Amino acid sequence: GQQVMQIPQYQHVQEGEDFTTYCNSSTTLSNIQWYKQRPGGHPVFLIQLVKSGEVKKQKRLTFQFGEAKKNSSLHITATQTTDVGTYFCAGGGNEKLTFGTGTRLTIIP
Amino acid sequence: DAGVIQSPRHEVTEMGQEVTLRCKPISGHNSLFWYRQTMMRGLELLIYFNNNVPIDDSGMPEDRFSAKMPNASFSTLKIQPSEPRDSAVYFCASSLGSVRVGQPQHFGDGTRLSIL
Repeated sequence: GQQVMQIPQYQHVQEGEDFTTYCNSSTTLSNIQWYKQRPGGHPVFLIQLVKSGEVKKQKRLTFQFGEAKKNSSLHITATQTTDVGTYFCAGGGNEKLTFGTGTRLTIIP
Repeated sequence: DAGVIQSPRHEVTEMGQEVTLRCKPISGHNSLFWYRQTMMRGLELLIYFNNNVPIDDSGMPEDRFSAKMPNASFSTLKIQPSEPRDSAVYFCASSLGSVRVGQPQHFGDGTRLSIL
């Protein structure tokens, strides 16, 4: 079945440094979604990418969807303490949305 | 607008007891999802309903787990009998349209379940 892996599993960065998480699917995706889960909270939808090679930005966050629609990345520029949490990608294919393993981001003030 | 509402928020019970988790999706959403989250296994999809019909229940661990959606505004996830390994946070989520359409999922606050 469809598998979605994310790397790294954990990332500790100094406040102000950049952060990137990578998402890889075992199968070609129809779309990819990104979610953020704060500690003790629930996943919150951030964005969806649909087109091959698509790039979208939300303030300091940049999302990319690979040309082959099998991988994606989330890049945060100049991290802030409010960026703390776990970032999940979720790959859409057929009637299934498969969540990735997540990357837990911690910020060192 | 009210989001996805789950109850209870916390449940602590002894092994062997029946546990029922409840979910009210966002009004107008016709897809509903139950997830289980643990440190070891991450976020796992248990079952997915579309228009109150189960579409994918391949993630339901075993016969001890059952889920129903009797109408568009209510769903339950039942564990009987419960076991300590069922301890996890259970999330309900809803979306407008099926997974194929690619709509965002809106999650409830979750039920933190502890089986002693």
